[in-house]
Amino acid sequence: DTAVSQTPKYLVTQMGNDKSIKCEQNLGHDTMYWYKQDSKKFLKIMFSYNNKELIINETVPNRFSPKSPDKAHLNLHINSLELGDSAVYFCASSQRGKYNEQFFGPGTRLTVL
Amino acid sequence: AQSVTQLGSHVSVSEGALVLLRCNYSSSVPPYLFWYVQYPNQGLQLLLKYTTGATLVKGINGFEAEFKKSETSFHLTKPSAHMSDAAEYFCAVSETGGFKTIFGAGTRLFVKA
Repeated sequence: DTAVSQTPKYLVTQMGNDKSIKCEQNLGHDTMYWYKQDSKKFLKIMFSYNNKELIINETVPNRFSPKSPDKAHLNLHINSLELGDSAVYFCASSQRGKYNEQFFGPGTRLTVL
Repeated sequence: AQSVTQLGSHVSVSEGALVLLRCNYSSSVPPYLFWYVQYPNQGLQLLLKYTTGATLVKGINGFEAEFKKSETSFHLTKPSAHMSDAAEYFCAVSETGGFKTIFGAGTRLFVKA
């Protein structure tokens, strides 16, 4: 059983396109996150939802829009993709009150051409 | 504000040698501290965590770390490196009651035969 899953695993697209990445967790956690990992492996938090409420919204271009239809799902939609958006995007989940121990998905490698 | 500093972006050891990866943190309240490992093309997985209590914590794959409040450090060690330990290692800190986890820049561990 996969705890945190993401689709797709790889995404190759042209500049200017719009794309979405989906994330699902079956751990029963109440908090989910999106991280961006650049080519130097630096991990930066983008968004977090707790019980479907947006609680962390870092300095991210408004071309990025997260959506959490329920506690188990968190999607990321990106409009007008740019070359600099190329990165690996990780979804993670945690349970409030459990030290913020995070469980990560396998990542989505986005390449913008 | 929380922050994490990992000393050394790259560490190289011989197989069978001691592994020491350094992490210093800053936090205004008692922190929760974590080490995560990332193997190539995979997501992050938890190696070990410090929450409260015993300051020497043991994790998976023979790794351990010691929380030293006076030094604001949480260094990761393993007595004898194995080729399979080659990976990227991240130190992270979160605060009681918070949602955000701050990750260090990562240390790439190379293991030479």
